[in-house]
Amino acid sequence: NAGVMQNPRHLVRRRGQEARLRCSPMKGHSHVYWYRQLPEEGLKFMVYLQKENIIDESGMPKERFSAEFPKEGPSILRIQQVVRGDSAAYFCASSPPSVEQGSSGWIKNIQYFGAGTRLSVL
Amino acid sequence: DQQVKQNSPSLSVQEGRISILNCDYTNSMFDYFLWYKKYPAEGPTFLISISSIKDKNEDGRFTVFLNKSAKHLSLHIVPSQPGDSAVYFCAASASETSYDKVIFGPGTSLSVIP
Repeated sequence: NAGVMQNPRHLVRRRGQEARLRCSPMKGHSHVYWYRQLPEEGLKFMVYLQKENIIDESGMPKERFSAEFPKEGPSILRIQQVVRGDSAAYFCASSPPSVEQGSSGWIKNIQYFGAGTRLSVL
Repeated sequence: DQQVKQNSPSLSVQEGRISILNCDYTNSMFDYFLWYKKYPAEGPTFLISISSIKDKNEDGRFTVFLNKSAKHLSLHIVPSQPGDSAVYFCAASASETSYDKVIFGPGTSLSVIP
């Protein structure tokens, strides 16, 4: 069972270009999360998607950033008109569907991470 | 507003001794906590978790302790090995949500000295 696959591993863009980051979740996983890690910082949540739906994009910058998880194919994180401040490591994680545990809430699932895409903006 | 805090950016420990990594949280709705380990140029990997109904969970050399009243948890690694050198992220989530959004702390870089 292949893990979470991200590509490319490294991406170099000039200011103003578009960056497209791809993430294929683990087999059977329908939940995808994107995180950004700036140098010397921790992982910052960006967006959570299920197939064809954006569930939570509260961590996504309002402009230039978008994400999708189509019915077929990988999840895509798109950054338009990149700026130097977008240089970071972008990690994708996936998890299986949540399971409700009656009145006790939801059984939490572990997120499995890909190796990340390192975006450098020149 | 940092909901999950790891106040020690780095920690050095001698091989064979105990490593103690600390984590504090501010959101009282958090009831599930995880530790992830990350090597350079790799993605984080899950290490161990604990639910708020417990105060301790053990897996081999790794033990996580949870003090709900203090909103504090710690990861103990004993004995520490050079291969444990990595960045350790504490993470938290709330069972009230049906999805697995977790909030990560900034991480603690552990160096185990041979």
